Amino acid sequence: QKEVEQNSGPLSVPEGAIASLNCTYSDRGSQSFFWYRQYSGKSPELIMFIYSNGDKEDGRFTAQLNKASQYVSLLIRDSQPSDSATYLCAVSYYAGNNRKLIWGLGTSLAVNP
Amino acid sequence: EAQVTQNPRYLITVTGKKLTVTCSQNMNHEYMSWYRQDPGLGLRQIYYSMNVEVTDKGDVPEGYKVSRKEKRNFPLILESPSPNQTSLYFCASSLFRGSGANVLTFGAGSRLTVL
Repeated sequence: QKEVEQNSGPLSVPEGAIASLNCTYSDRGSQSFFWYRQYSGKSPELIMFIYSNGDKEDGRFTAQLNKASQYVSLLIRDSQPSDSATYLCAVSYYAGNNRKLIWGLGTSLAVNP
Repeated sequence: EAQVTQNPRYLITVTGKKLTVTCSQNMNHEYMSWYRQDPGLGLRQIYYSMNVEVTDKGDVPEGYKVSRKEKRNFPLILESPSPNQTSLYFCASSLFRGSGANVLTFGAGSRLTVL
């Protein structure tokens, strides 16, 4: 059973701090890793994805991937109240000719002014 | 504006009354998919389509049907809805198949209640 696990939270950080969100996955053959943000009552939206070990930065967001340890993390620098949302980790694996996604249940982040 | 449009956004229906949730995208995406999202269970894929006339089951296809007669449209059909199909439904699309198929653009969601 392929699984993606996230701490459900809530993770509470003060405004301006760094928020660190973590995700572990079970399938060593997983190739691609995605972070989506979902505001309450809204649809998920892609923040960033990462394929290779190491860090990938996009503005205030940094994704970190460690395939040996099977974890991927998302760092949010200078957190803002508008970052308060649920963050979904998704991991891609091969299923026949298709790549499918396994979704974590999400980590709820609250950024306090 | 590039988007995925779902309708209806909210629907309350009764057991056994057939309904269709429409999904349309204006981005010329090949790949389209339906998900349901339930508390404690997360996002689960119902059906997906790699291209016109090509559809396949996801993880929870029971009780649902889909069709892909046109590239832009991917309706979800509940032939005989039951209360366990009460959920939040998302349609999503992607430009690329294969390795890029997971960079999804989601619709706004359709909240369905079956009494």
